[in-house]
Amino acid sequence: EAQVTQNPRYLITVTGKKLTVTCSQNMNHEYMSWYRQDPGLGLRQIYYSMNVEVTDKGDVPEGYKVSRKEKRNFPLILESPSPNQTSLYFCASSFLSRGLEVDEQYFGPGTRLTVT
Amino acid sequence: GENVEQHPSTLSVQEGDSAVIKCTYSDSASNYFPWYKQELGKRPQLIIDIRSNVGEKKDQRIAVTLNKTAKHFSLHITETQPEDSAVYFCAASPRFQKLVFGTGTRLLVSP
Repeated sequence: EAQVTQNPRYLITVTGKKLTVTCSQNMNHEYMSWYRQDPGLGLRQIYYSMNVEVTDKGDVPEGYKVSRKEKRNFPLILESPSPNQTSLYFCASSFLSRGLEVDEQYFGPGTRLTVT
Repeated sequence: GENVEQHPSTLSVQEGDSAVIKCTYSDSASNYFPWYKQELGKRPQLIIDIRSNVGEKKDQRIAVTLNKTAKHFSLHITETQPEDSAVYFCAASPRFQKLVFGTGTRLLVSP
């Protein structure tokens, strides 16, 4: 079954404790991206990746890191989480239309993170 | 950078009515405009998209129109049904790989 998976689905942690949210897709998509969803703010792009070892900042990258060492995986790292990073996080993947342009995003199930 | 504004934030209609959600964008370089539907507790899913070389696209009860001169695009849902109730997000792609979303519209369709 074609899918995007995220782990964990729920996480409660404390300020400053490093954490990683994993994301994996089995559709051989070149493009992967992380979004956070907050009430009234919609979905905001954190980081995206066009391919292995190619990543770039979205609109809200501060406090986050990513890596793309394999095509199927795109983990999101919070080195020192803070309460303002409490949010619902979605990973997504897609093909690149005409080799360059973003296309339909296939979203993972989401990770609800609470930082106390 | 690109800014996408979406209106209204909430929309209530009676079953069978039409619903229209409007978005404006700021970056004239944007060339891809998708619409996503998110049901309560679920992940967003694409319902329709349009690229800048097309002015209108339809898929059964759903249509999207794009006015590049005015920098706005709209989602039209005809003959609404209760299962259309959800949050709808528009988005624009200002560069090949970036995607900027609107703040969402909560659509409620009453039987």
